[in-house]
Amino acid sequence: AQKVTQAQTEISVVEKEDVTLDCVYETRDTTYYLFWYKQPPSGELVFLIRRNSFDEQNEISGRYSWNFQKSTSSFNFTITASQVVDSAVYFCALSEAPGGSYIPTFGRGTSLIVHP
Amino acid sequence: DGGITQSPKYLFRKEGQNVTLSCEQNLNHDAMYWYRQDPGQGLRLIYYSQIVNDFQKGDIAEGYSVSREKKESFPLTVTSAQKNPTAFYLCASSGDYEQYFGPGTRLTVT
Repeated sequence: AQKVTQAQTEISVVEKEDVTLDCVYETRDTTYYLFWYKQPPSGELVFLIRRNSFDEQNEISGRYSWNFQKSTSSFNFTITASQVVDSAVYFCALSEAPGGSYIPTFGRGTSLIVHP
Repeated sequence: DGGITQSPKYLFRKEGQNVTLSCEQNLNHDAMYWYRQDPGQGLRLIYYSQIVNDFQKGDIAEGYSVSREKKESFPLTVTSAQKNPTAFYLCASSGDYEQYFGPGTRLTVT
């Protein structure tokens, strides 16, 4: 069975602060995929990033960066110099197989509030 | 533009009525999903379909029904048997990896 834990229910920061959202996963498979999604107040989940289990390279995209560590089963997400527009609920997800047959497991989400 | 559409965005119904939520995608994805989200909660899977004319129950299928007659469409019916239908409903589709979500339908039953 697979499991995704986002222990931080809510994080509140002031604009320009850096913030890290934690994601810890459990799986028995050696091949799996990890994802982050953003859900702004409008409600639609937006895909941010996918990582496969064989690629532990960290990724940076503008102010966003992701740290994947298999040794600790973690896939953490850092926002540098946060902005009010970053306020959203962020979900981490895990899938154990590629293709349309997979059913991803989502964490419960972390609500990020960025104050001006 | 390619994407997923859900209609309507807000839906109000009286208790005891069945209601159908629409989900259409033009991404040519084989798999489609329905999730329910309650305030402050994560996503719970209602039904999913990996191919036309086939679908499977998710974690909370009771009180819901679906059909998949076309690749592009995966409507969800919330029946009167669903005891607590008021929620935010999200439809998604996927090709090989990640899911793409529609804007959601907020259903209120009184």
